[in-house]
Amino acid sequence: DQQVKQNSPSLSVQEGRISILNCDYTNSMFDYFLWYKKYPAEGPTFLISISSIKDKNEDGRFTVFLNKSAKHLSLHIVPSQPGDSAVYFCAAILASTDKLIFGTGTRLQVFP
Amino acid sequence: EPEVTQTPSHQVTQMGQEVILRCVPISNHLYFYWYRQILGQKVEFLVSFYNNEISEKSEIFDDQFSVERPDGSNFTLKIRSTKLEDSAMYFCASSVPGQGSSYEQYFGPGTRLTVT
Repeated sequence: DQQVKQNSPSLSVQEGRISILNCDYTNSMFDYFLWYKKYPAEGPTFLISISSIKDKNEDGRFTVFLNKSAKHLSLHIVPSQPGDSAVYFCAAILASTDKLIFGTGTRLQVFP
Repeated sequence: EPEVTQTPSHQVTQMGQEVILRCVPISNHLYFYWYRQILGQKVEFLVSFYNNEISEKSEIFDDQFSVERPDGSNFTLKIRSTKLEDSAMYFCASSVPGQGSSYEQYFGPGTRLTVT
């Protein structure tokens, strides 16, 4: 099941700079996309979501962009902080189902 | 801030034994879920539960698995006869569908199940 893909397993960014995490999907019927952050030994924590009818959603330092024609979304974190260091998961959902379909995750490291 | 809790944090069991993983969802949530993450792999959906019945389940959720909401607060996942390949991190989640229409699910900290 490769419906949601995160092709970059890791990303390293300097504190204060922008972090851009990418996600691709194959099912054009997805209704919502979500980003979760996960620290070791903890469960995924919801960050931000976007409806398939929008192309941008912003919440503080976090902005998600959706490009439906390319079946691509990205999460921008500006400015990046050391506390942002975690694994970030992209997930998608069909409104007709209950299940989140997750990508494999990208490990973000923000260094001073 | 309300959160999903799970017990135990780590469960070690022998192959063939039954295990019960416990979760307390957020109190006003209506939908409950179990996911699992095998080491190094994706988080995978197992089952969703609403109005005291399973609303959706994955191919992974075979006859060895069952879920129950025995009272007004707990939500459990039972594996009847564990196999080595059941070793994984099991996450419980809950949600209030329609609230904000964003389909966000809130996850617990997970139970690490080790089958030996």
